[in-house]
Formats: sequence, C-alpha cells, structure tokens
Amino acid sequence: GENVEQHPSTLSVQEGDSAVIKCTYSDSASNYFPWYKQELGKGPQLIIDIRSNVGEKKDQRIAVTLNKTAKHFSLHITETQPEDSAVYFCAASRPGGGNKLTFGTGTQLKVEL
Amino acid sequence: NAGVTQTPKFQVLKTGQSMTLQCAQDMNHNSMYWYRQDPGMGLRLIYYSASEGTTDKGEVPNGYNVSRLNKREFSLRLESAAPSQTSVYFCASSEQGPPTDTQYFGPGTRLTVL
Repeated sequence: GENVEQHPSTLSVQEGDSAVIKCTYSDSASNYFPWYKQELGKGPQLIIDIRSNVGEKKDQRIAVTLNKTAKHFSLHITETQPEDSAVYFCAASRPGGGNKLTFGTGTQLKVEL
Repeated sequence: NAGVTQTPKFQVLKTGQSMTLQCAQDMNHNSMYWYRQDPGMGLRLIYYSASEGTTDKGEVPNGYNVSRLNKREFSLRLESAAPSQTSVYFCASSEQGPPTDTQYFGPGTRLTVL
C-alpha cells in the first residue's frame, strides 16, 4: 500500500520568514495530494490540495508543488504569522477505492515573534 | 450547517468495556471515514464507508466494528476496549471523485482506556 513520509517533524521559524514542509510518497498511482492544518484540540482542516495533472498551486501565502517523477510534494508558507502555528499533515490517495487518504506523520510548525 | 459532529468529546473506559462512538454529517456526503490519531503516527484509517450500505477495512481495523446507519451516520464500536486503543478518534466525510472529494473532519473523540 501507499507510504507517505513527511519531514521535518518540527519546524521553528521567525515571524515573516518562509516555511517549507516536504513529503514523499511510494505509490506511483496516487494522484491527489491534500495538505491539512490541525490546531490544538481540533480536527484537521484542508488548507490546499493538488492533483497530479498540476505542478504547482498557490493560494495567497500558501503554495504546494508536486514532482511526480521524484514522487514528492511540498508545502510552502510565505510571510509566516503566529496564527500559522499548528500541526500540518500531508496526505495522498489514488483513484478509486473510496477516496482513502494515507497521511504523513505531521509537522509541528511554530512561528516565533 | 454543523458539518461533521462527533459524540462524545471525551471518554474514559476500563479494559474490557465496550462503547460506541457516534458520527453524523449534514453535507449529504456519500463517503465517511474513521481515523485514529496517535502521537508521532499521523492519522491512520480504521474503517470507511464509500457509500450507504457498504463498509470496508482500512489500515488498522482490528478491535473495531462499524455501522453505516444511514447516509448521515457512521458509528464506530469497540467491543472490548484495550489500553492500545487509547487515542483520539476522528470521523470524516467526503463526496466521491474530483473535484469534490475533500475530506471534512469532525472535532474528535479523546478516548482513554485504563
């Protein structure tokens, strides 16, 4: 089955700096790659996603890039703010099979003032 | 719209006790999912229901059973709880197929088994 690895497990940046979180996946048939943000005591919330027919997608300060050949994708957050502090999860799924997601192990992002 | 709701929010059980975690969604989604979240291990799929009337095992189904009661509700049952089932449980729902296959998560149930 699919295996998703995520790095780093913790990331500390200064407010205003950029943050990058990287994930690799093992199943070449995977074609959907969402990123979730989880605040303390809450459920994960989708912040951005990308499909395999696209190499990059941006939404304001957040961007995701996908390299299908290397089977890795990354989350980029620019101009970080204290409210960006949370745990971020990448995930992957393949067509069919009920849209099952395989998650990475998460990155604790801390934005320091 | 409440989205995905879960009850209870917190639960403490003794080893061997049973309980059912409830999940409901009001988004008319076809698919529903149960995950568990453990420190350092991300979210792992326990069971899912691609559509009303169907259920399938995920990555870690042992010790659990599920019921898709109707399109809105998907429950998770622990027949004989074990300390290894101490975790935070999340329910999620989605439509099937792009571009509407985003999974929406509930607030979670924090379960402790003593």
